[in-house]
Amino acid sequence: SQQGEEDPQALSIQEGENATMNCSYKTSINNLQWYRQNSGRGLVHLILIRSNEREKHSGRLRVTLDTSKKSSSLLITASRAADTASYFCATKGAGGFKTIFGAGTRLFVKA
Amino acid sequence: ETGVTQTPRHLVMGMTNKKSLKCEQHLGHNAMYWYKQSAKKPLELMFVYSLEERVENNSVPSRFSPECPNSSHLFLHLHTLQPEDSALYLCASSPADRREETQYFGPGTRLLVL
Repeated sequence: SQQGEEDPQALSIQEGENATMNCSYKTSINNLQWYRQNSGRGLVHLILIRSNEREKHSGRLRVTLDTSKKSSSLLITASRAADTASYFCATKGAGGFKTIFGAGTRLFVKA
Repeated sequence: ETGVTQTPRHLVMGMTNKKSLKCEQHLGHNAMYWYKQSAKKPLELMFVYSLEERVENNSVPSRFSPECPNSSHLFLHLHTLQPEDSALYLCASSPADRREETQYFGPGTRLLVL
């Protein structure tokens, strides 16, 4: 079954606004990660939150994790045009190397 | 720059051609990955190598053949591909310590099969 389904599929906001993206998954996880991808490029790791953590911050990024609801959210505050990209959540279970990515949220920040 | 390079960046090939994609990482990692990214679909894990041994093979057709000669280099050999194999192929690496799961991606090879 597919893990890491993002919502919404696409989001368009004005510069300076906050952007919130959500991710749901189906099975138990060891950790959840968020990645960013600029068009046609490789993914860049943003932040990792472990299953025993509820919230994590990194600069303008805030990630929450609710393991009871099997969901996570990524908040980007005070967005900039340069934040325009696709954002993916990725989940990993205990053991093994398999990280499963969702289909992503495409964020467009208008200047 | 993430420390992971991929060549070529773009590739056009016919269905009867044989070509290879190359990935090199300069991070001292021990695990390397191939992913396929098609339009509007999630990233699909194809292969994982840890310490040069294949540890994951995600039901990939035999027309894709990986090779990992050492922990810094990973190849994906392509032969008799189909048009539906056109996609962005991404290589990634990680330290292979399973407590550290962050993957570092290369810029990808955009493949078009005619």
